[in-house]
Amino acid sequence: GQQVMQIPQYQHVQEGEDFTTYCNSSTTLSNIQWYKQRPGGHPVFLIQLVKSGEVKKQKRLTFQFGEAKKNSSLHITATQTTDVGTYFCAGDRNQFYFGTGTSLTVIP
Amino acid sequence: NAGVTQTPKFRILKIGQSMTLQCTQDMNHNYMYWYRQDPGMGLKLIYYSVGAGITDKGEVPNGYNVSRSTTEDFPLRLELAAPSQTSVYFCASSLGPSGRDNSPLHFGNGTRLTVT
Repeated sequence: GQQVMQIPQYQHVQEGEDFTTYCNSSTTLSNIQWYKQRPGGHPVFLIQLVKSGEVKKQKRLTFQFGEAKKNSSLHITATQTTDVGTYFCAGDRNQFYFGTGTSLTVIP
Repeated sequence: NAGVTQTPKFRILKIGQSMTLQCTQDMNHNYMYWYRQDPGMGLKLIYYSVGAGITDKGEVPNGYNVSRSTTEDFPLRLELAAPSQTSVYFCASSLGPSGRDNSPLHFGNGTRLTVT
């Protein structure tokens, strides 16, 4: 069954508001990757986190990997309409599991 | 480079029919994968391959078969299509094992399959 869960499943925000999605695993992960899928599109790789407590930034996006390597988060500051899409985390333990995804809608 | 190319983009099958989803990549990646994505769900791994001649089952392999005769091609075969196989299918490739050694997955554009 699914071993990597994401919350929330859906999020609607006003343009300019912040957004956060959380990824939780029942087991310790070797690393975690984040992907973005635009509506009607395919997943596109954003970033990989490997170290416990690691924080990485890409412009308005901040990615964190938990100290226990069981959870991760993606935070977007001041959302824009171009941020619309579904964000997936994907964790590696023995197999590479994708989370259920968080669908982000940005209202102009 | 074209990256990962999938054909067809759309297909409607009748119950019991068979078809092959084609996937080819031009990045010389050893690792290739087939995922299915159902509405509101994440991607579930059907089969994967670590190199030509080597394939293995993923999380949801029942009803599917694969082959890997070349590095470039990784077709997915559906035998006796069922409504439960209605989904979006994505092929992906990576240089190294997924999630290891900073080897991101490169996805194709997907095949939208409906079985009625």
